[in-house]
Amino acid sequence: DSGVTQTPKHLITATGQRVTLRCSPRSGDLSVYWYQQSLDQGLQFLIQYYNGEERAKGNILERFSAQQFPDLHSELNLSSLELGDSALYFCASSGGLAAYNEQFFGPGTRLTVL
Amino acid sequence: AQSVSQHNHHVILSEAASLELGCNYSYGGTVNLFWYVQYPGQHLQLLLKYFSGDPLVKGIKGFEAEFIKSKFSFNLRKPSVQWSDTAEYFCAVNARTGGFKTIFGAGTRLFVKA
Repeated sequence: DSGVTQTPKHLITATGQRVTLRCSPRSGDLSVYWYQQSLDQGLQFLIQYYNGEERAKGNILERFSAQQFPDLHSELNLSSLELGDSALYFCASSGGLAAYNEQFFGPGTRLTVL
Repeated sequence: AQSVSQHNHHVILSEAASLELGCNYSYGGTVNLFWYVQYPGQHLQLLLKYFSGDPLVKGIKGFEAEFIKSKFSFNLRKPSVQWSDTAEYFCAVNARTGGFKTIFGAGTRLFVKA
């Protein structure tokens, strides 16, 4: 158990819909990262937040957005869903901002878009 | 742009065989390097990391990796694999400058035959 929790574990929805994925970091961790893992794209970095502020952006679509709340949990919002958005979405957390910090991963949310 | 290449997508070994998984990255600046492992049904976890000092890094469960700067490589090795090493292995690179983005390789699925 990494200490990072993600809900829900599974999500099945239809094209065009909007969903929200939730992540609670390890106690004390200020950084939260979101990744998308699909069969054809591998593990892709989406976005990072540090203590409520966006710090780095990767290959995140405009239809996707995220935020980190004062209690440090984070939500990833996916809208106008397409079949290709079906993937495993991981959240990770780390203690600080430094690039060499180990990231602790959650169990992931499996999103299926029908 | 940063990229990480893992040369083997699937590796099958017998128990007690030696393992070497290749990882090359493209970023030319100072980098931090990681190997993560994902056991079946579990979350990603850190095997080992390099950010400075001795280029030969020892990690958990008998794994080690060697950073060769001139070759932009960070290969993972284990002298004698066990059935319990069956997992997917991800190489990751994070630059100290350039936005705190961690780029993951596509992963290598290792299957160890008992």
